[in-house]
Amino acid sequence: GENVGLHLPTLSVQEGDNSIINCAYSNSASDYFIWYKQESGKGPQFIIDIRSNMDKRQGQRVTVLLNKTVKHLSLQIAATQPGDSAVYFCAERETGGFKTIFGAGTRLFVKA
Amino acid sequence: EAGVAQSPRYKIIEKRQSVAFWCNPISGHATLYWYQQILGQGPKLLIQFQNNGVVDDSQLPKDRFSAERLKGVDSTLKIQPAKLEDSAVYLCASSLELAGGESEQFFGPGTRLTVL
Repeated sequence: GENVGLHLPTLSVQEGDNSIINCAYSNSASDYFIWYKQESGKGPQFIIDIRSNMDKRQGQRVTVLLNKTVKHLSLQIAATQPGDSAVYFCAERETGGFKTIFGAGTRLFVKA
Repeated sequence: EAGVAQSPRYKIIEKRQSVAFWCNPISGHATLYWYQQILGQGPKLLIQFQNNGVVDDSQLPKDRFSAERLKGVDSTLKIQPAKLEDSAVYLCASSLELAGGESEQFFGPGTRLTVL
């Protein structure tokens, strides 16, 4: 939604650099994780997901890393572009669970 | 393919008034979700339908919030009476099927509610 990133942690990167956004999750029973991108005035948009039996998954310009030992998830964006500026949320879901739990979010600001 | 539609986009009401939001999911999507997103936070699930049945409404404040999906297609979320803390963006999402939780959710643009 609008102004969703007003009070969120902010990551500022130069256009063309790589970005790394981190997320800590709390539920040891979570086995499915998703990254969403939310631009101002819009709903969250799916970027990439990963199951707990994997520790890395790659998409187009994006890579998700999962460390189950420390319950940590990261999203890497290669060659960051101005269009990548948005708020990024990680989300988790339990095995057979119905509910998606969203994290607090990180605002990414790309400087041209 | 048309996305998830929501209306209105913005609503301003006074506390104790009532308000209703409407959502039309992507055609063929069995599962519909309503989320509340308070400024600076991630979305929080309020209620989830599969077809016209409720799957999860554990975080819906049932004393004032209600939702229905009578024909298993579009849905209405109502708040009566509204409180100041209900000011938020209300997001609707849909997915093709429950499928063990891995079906991608598609979100609408949201309705921004301001309670004065």
